[in-house]
Formats: sequence, structure tokens, C-alpha cells
Amino acid sequence: KQEVTQIPAALSVPEGENLVLNCSFTDSAIYNLQWFRQDPGKGLTSLLLIQSSQREQTSGRLNASLDKSSGRSTLYIAASQPGDSATYLCAVMPGSGGGADGLTFGKGTHLIIQP
Amino acid sequence: NAGVTQTPKFRVLKTGQSMTLLCAQDMNHEYMYWYRQDPGMGLRLIHYSVGEGTTAKGEVPDGYNVSRLKKQNFLLGLESAAPSQTSVYFCASSYPAGGNEQFFGPGTRLTVL
Repeated sequence: KQEVTQIPAALSVPEGENLVLNCSFTDSAIYNLQWFRQDPGKGLTSLLLIQSSQREQTSGRLNASLDKSSGRSTLYIAASQPGDSATYLCAVMPGSGGGADGLTFGKGTHLIIQP
Repeated sequence: NAGVTQTPKFRVLKTGQSMTLLCAQDMNHEYMYWYRQDPGMGLRLIHYSVGEGTTAKGEVPDGYNVSRLKKQNFLLGLESAAPSQTSVYFCASSYPAGGNEQFFGPGTRLTVL
């Protein structure tokens, strides 16, 4: 059974710092990996999608990398801002279902950016 | 586009009551999903559908039923609600040409007393 672990569970940093959130998964046979942001009491917002054949994806100040063979992904946030405060979730889709299966989620990293 | 919408936003039930949660998407997505989110457990897949008229079980399907009679709608039913079904329920949709990136609705907060 696929397991997804996110480290750290919580992180608090001053505004302006660059930071890295980590995600690891136990079964490397994945179809894709997705990073989400969740604000309190809200739904999930998709940040980045990395296909299994890709190594990284970038969107603005966000960069996500994928090392499928070692079962690891990182989300890099540059020049953090108070508005980046949220819970960040990593999720993987199994490779066996042709992309139709549901996602397996980590428990998230709760990020606080201090003004 | 409204994206993925969920009805209702909040609901309180008594044990044994039934209800249906509605998910609607206007993006013409093939695949739709129901998840539940619980403190300390993260999000877990309940049921999903790969097309109109099809459904499949996820990780935690017991106590729930689903139907996908129209491509844009995915219904989640609780026939006899139990306190263990108190949770936040999220619907999502995706399409193959988009790399199967999943887009989520705002959630339904359900409390079963």
C-alpha cells in the first residue's frame, strides 16, 4: 500500500526566506505527483503537477522536483510572503490505473510565514 | 466557469438519517472523485468514477454509495449516517488530456450526532 510522508509537519519562518517542503512515497510506480495548498476551512488548490516522466515543474515562485526512483519530491518556495501561509499537501497517483485512480495524500506541512 | 461545486456546504444529521451530497463540474471532465478529510488521517478516497454510468470503490467505501448518471454530476449517498461519518467531504474532477490534474471543490462539512 502506498504511503506518503511529509516533513516537517509544521514550519514557521520569517518573511523573505526561501524554504523547502519535503514529500516521500513508498511505491515508486506512480503516474503523477501533485502539490496542493489548503487554506483553513477551504478546499484544495492545485499548485503543481509533475508527470512521472518529468523531473520538475515551475510556477512563479514555486518549483517542485520529482525523483521517482528514490520516492522523493520537494516543493521550493522562493522569497516567502505572509500570503503563503497555508497547509501544503503532497499527493501521488498510482501508475497501475492509467491515470484514473484516486490520489494518496500525505498529512501536509502547516506553513506559517511571519511578517 | 464555476469549476467544481458542492452542495450543501454544511449539514448536521442525526444517527440513522440519510442524505445525498451533490458534486457538479462544468469542465467536461471524465473522472470524478469523492474524498473525506479527517484530523490526523489526511484525505482518503471513498469512491470514484471514470465516466458516466461507472463507479469504483476507493480506500474507505463502506457506508457510502455513489451514482454518476450524468457526466457533470457525481452523487455521494449516506443511507444510514453514523457518527464515524462526521467529516469534511471533498469532490474532485480531472481529465486525461490535462495530465489527470485533479481540481477540488470547496467541501461539505458534515456532522452526525
